[in-house]
Amino acid sequence: ETGVTQSPTHLIKTRGQQVTLRCSSQSGHNTVSWYQQALGQGPQFIFQYYREEENGRGNFPPRFSGLQFPNYSSELNVNALELNDSALYLCASSLDGRVYEQYFGPGTRLTVT
Amino acid sequence: DQQVKQNSPSLSVQEGRISILNCDYTNSMFDYFLWYKKYPAEGPTFLISISSIKDKNEDGRFTVFLNKSAKHLSLHIVPSQPGDSAVYFCAASAISSNYKLTFGKGTLLTVNP
Repeated sequence: ETGVTQSPTHLIKTRGQQVTLRCSSQSGHNTVSWYQQALGQGPQFIFQYYREEENGRGNFPPRFSGLQFPNYSSELNVNALELNDSALYLCASSLDGRVYEQYFGPGTRLTVT
Repeated sequence: DQQVKQNSPSLSVQEGRISILNCDYTNSMFDYFLWYKKYPAEGPTFLISISSIKDKNEDGRFTVFLNKSAKHLSLHIVPSQPGDSAVYFCAASAISSNYKLTFGKGTLLTVNP
């Protein structure tokens, strides 16, 4: 049990729509990262937040955006959904002082039709 | 350009024997390495990690070896158990990139009773 929860578990959206995925981590886990895992691939880094500020971003377009809140929750927003956005979206959090160890939630499976 | 490579998509071993999972990396800036285990429909579970200043880290049945000169690490599981059957991901990170994780594509381990 990592203490990281994500909602919803599964989601089906239509191309062009917008989606918001949510994550909740434990007290003291001020760093949260989001990853996209396509079928048969390893997770790909989207972005990272520390104390509500973005402090790292992977090779994803601006239509992928995020927010982190003071209560250890965060959101991943994706606008103008495309078919290849279909993937498992993972949230991971790290304890202050041990940022190098990230603990993942169960993920949200997004299907874009 | 894949910076973390797991060249074996799958591995099959007998229960009680040793499982050896391999990982190669190309970025010499990586200074922390992790292994994750993933079951279908779940998020990755952190197993074991190693800092670049060490060459071995052990935790119960799991041992990770790091060969910096060869840019190679391996995960040893002894003895292997059927419950170890899962996809294993190697991941690497660097303090210079706020420890964002770069993953390999994973190796499917099957432990046969």
